[in-house]
Amino acid sequence: SQQGEEDPQALSIQEGENATMNCSYKTSINNLQWYRQNSGRGLVHLILIRSNEREKHSGRLRVTLDTSKKSSSLLITASRAADTASYFCATDASDMRFGAGTRLTVKP
Amino acid sequence: GAGVSQSPSNKVTEKGKDVELRCDPISGHTALYWYRQSLGQGLEFLIYFQGNSAPDKSGLPSDRFSAERTGGSVSTLTIQRTQQEDSAVYLCASSLGGTSFSYEQYFGPGTRLTVT
Repeated sequence: SQQGEEDPQALSIQEGENATMNCSYKTSINNLQWYRQNSGRGLVHLILIRSNEREKHSGRLRVTLDTSKKSSSLLITASRAADTASYFCATDASDMRFGAGTRLTVKP
Repeated sequence: GAGVSQSPSNKVTEKGKDVELRCDPISGHTALYWYRQSLGQGLEFLIYFQGNSAPDKSGLPSDRFSAERTGGSVSTLTIQRTQQEDSAVYLCASSLGGTSFSYEQYFGPGTRLTVT
């Protein structure tokens, strides 16, 4: 079974709006990572958050982790058309599995 | 420096044939990972190498799939007697460490395999 599950499956917003994606996982983790995949650049690492961290920022990205709820969220602020991509969370646990991802479309 | 490279970029093969997919990781990266991604789906973990050894082969779908890594560098994923359900993009990634998958993974562009 997949370790990371994202929701929503698809999200469509206007440029400038914020986008929030959620990830839930099943077992205890040491870290959780978010990746982005688009046709131009393939799969790219965005951010890693460790189990003892609650929040992490990188540019317009903000990731939170709630280990008690086994969930994480990725917030993209002031979205741009170039943010259109699929976003995946992945955990370490005993292996690193990716969820099916959230397909984000940012309309100009 | 150079990123992760994979070859071939595209492979079309007939059902029943064997195929070999190659991955060249980033120099100095000790961990190497293979994943499979079907159209519109997430990534399915196949196997992970730390150096030349594979501590976790649990994701290999069947005994038709095997992988090896030599010299702590290049890895090949072999699929024997290919089936149509093997059609997918096969992605390779490498990272500095990886004993607990706690390092950023750098992905290659993938090999698109089509079994006819």
